[in-house]
Amino acid sequence: SAVISQKPSRDICQRGTSLTIQCQVDSQVTMMFWYRQQPGQSLTLIATANQGSEATYESGFVIDKFPISRPNLTFSTLTVSNMSPEDSSIYLCSVEDPVAYEQYFGPGTRLTVT
Amino acid sequence: DAKTTQPNSMESNEEEPVHLPCNHSTISGTDYIHWYRQLPSQGPEYVIHGLTSNVNNRMASLAIAEDRKSSTLILHRATLRDAAVYYCILRVNRDDKIIFGKGTRLHILP
Repeated sequence: SAVISQKPSRDICQRGTSLTIQCQVDSQVTMMFWYRQQPGQSLTLIATANQGSEATYESGFVIDKFPISRPNLTFSTLTVSNMSPEDSSIYLCSVEDPVAYEQYFGPGTRLTVT
Repeated sequence: DAKTTQPNSMESNEEEPVHLPCNHSTISGTDYIHWYRQLPSQGPEYVIHGLTSNVNNRMASLAIAEDRKSSTLILHRATLRDAAVYYCILRVNRDDKIIFGKGTRLHILP
């Protein structure tokens, strides 16, 4: 299994600002994913981030709003840009273990935009 | 994307078995059936997965219908710590992204 940590665990931000969320994994992984979970809702996939290539965004999510970096096999960042109150959510990263055919999720970053 | 249908919520008594149903009538021959659960204030965690045969692990059992159009996640003896949202998900292969539906919110009554 993989252990995933995220920073920050929570933050309160003002509208119009940006926040960068870090995701650290304790082992090398190829595939990393970023999800958003709005209050009381299920998880929505934002993008897939593979090391060495540009992130692939899902419908409704764009790179200008959610730029992603994947500099190595253990780390990724998601930036939430020009935030509005609608961006208030929990943001989670996950990694795929292709051998076990399982995904492991981080604890999430709870973002509140005022 | 292949779709699954689950009841919005279920209740069960503590220490009794729980059967969580999932319908996936449009499943294709290469789709794996995965279950994840999300405990309160935590990220989702893997529970079990299978293709055609029933599967057992330390957390649960997965019963797959012969025509594969439905499956059931079985918790053999529910505890209060099993209260969570359970997601039934179809995945084509090991590079496939996970698309979460609404899941089933399981309440455990003491």
